[in-house]
Amino acid sequence: NAGVTQTPKFRILKIGQSMTLQCTQDMNHNYMYWYRQDPGMGLKLIYYSVGAGITDKGEVPNGYNVSRSTTEDFPLRLELAAPSQTSVYFCASSYSGVREQFFGPGTRLTVL
Amino acid sequence: QKEVEQNSGPLSVPEGAIASLNCTYSDRGSQSFFWYRQYSGKSPELIMSIYSNGDKEDGRFTAQLNKASQYVSLLIRDSQPSDSATYLCAVNSAGGTSYGKLTFGQGTILTVHP
Repeated sequence: NAGVTQTPKFRILKIGQSMTLQCTQDMNHNYMYWYRQDPGMGLKLIYYSVGAGITDKGEVPNGYNVSRSTTEDFPLRLELAAPSQTSVYFCASSYSGVREQFFGPGTRLTVL
Repeated sequence: QKEVEQNSGPLSVPEGAIASLNCTYSDRGSQSFFWYRQYSGKSPELIMSIYSNGDKEDGRFTAQLNKASQYVSLLIRDSQPSDSATYLCAVNSAGGTSYGKLTFGQGTILTVHP
């Protein structure tokens, strides 16, 4: 039982490039989330999903896109990377909407 | 604007002391409350969850919830150097929906010195 896994662990992008951050969970959770964490700050919700085929925006969705075709996977797409997207990205999953969320190890992204 | 505020740090306590971390929230409809511990360069790790008023104890950790005062706290007894980390308060601001969006505080850095 690996829990929540994320790839890659680190990535450096040039301004204007695109990439997809991968997230997979093996706990059969319906709820999945993407957060970003800037240095010394709390976590900000980017997008979330309550099940396959259902996604919605969080607090800071601009510059990102998501899809959820399976229960297990919730990839985050960055289009036209900008320096403001330099951050650590965490994926999380939860059994229900009011229960605890479990976090993946994170992806550290730098945009230069 | 739904907000979660934590007591400003950093907080420094001697080994063996009690560390007290506090958090207030603005959404009266909040239903569930969590404390996460985050070591530098690592992901948040769940320490405690609490859903009803009162105290909940788990080993050296006690979470306290007072919904009337919109206040949740975490006490760490017999603090150890390994407890040194950033502690994040998270509040479920579902507001009656089941979407379970967590709002996080900015975190309190705790240092336990020998």
